[in-house]
Amino acid sequence: EVQLVESGGGLVQPGGSLRLSCAASGFTFKNFWMSWVRQGPGKGLEWVANIKEDGSEKHYVDSVKGRFTISRDNAQNSMYVQMSGLRVEDTAVYYCARKGGFRDAFDIWGQGTMVIVSS
Amino acid sequence: DIQMTQSPSILSASVGDRVTITCRASQSISNWLAWYQQKPGKAPKLLIYKASNLEGGVPSRFSGSGSGTEFTLTISCLQPDDFATFYCQQYNNYPWTFGQGTRVEIK
Repeated sequence: EVQLVESGGGLVQPGGSLRLSCAASGFTFKNFWMSWVRQGPGKGLEWVANIKEDGSEKHYVDSVKGRFTISRDNAQNSMYVQMSGLRVEDTAVYYCARKGGFRDAFDIWGQGTMVIVSS
Repeated sequence: DIQMTQSPSILSASVGDRVTITCRASQSISNWLAWYQQKPGKAPKLLIYKASNLEGGVPSRFSGSGSGTEFTLTISCLQPDDFATFYCQQYNNYPWTFGQGTRVEIK
């Protein structure tokens, strides 16, 4: 079964750091771009970052540039996002998503992990 | 950044209705547009990619059309399982952006 499972969410104080993980299974992970997408409480979807198959290319939404770092370990079939300088407005469910080959759209999503930034 | 604007924001409809949701891009995105369905507490699900291509396993009552700046998602005969929030997303230019969502609710 093709699956993405996020972990690492939790409660963190403003200015703090957190590392989210996304474990992939059921497909050849190294062949796909991967992304993080977030959704604030009661809000819409926001693309956060993505990373090329071999990790050589990365893109970020402006609001997280310089604070978030996306990475991947193809040997471990995993993707990560290191988040630092967290702000209250980063509070959201964070989804990892696969950019589906010829589709280019997000064809596989994880169940999400909740990040709460609060004092 | 490319702004994606969906209309309406809320749509009240009955089972069996034909429903159309519109998504407008602030500049041309060719056909680099996807539609997703999201139910409360769940991850989004891909319905349509490249504006008009139906994702595998998605019922044929869903269809997408458009190119450039104007796109539509149509549900030909609304079913009880279709009550959800729908999002469009452009992936022509970074940052990739989503519309604000259209909630389809029971009339």
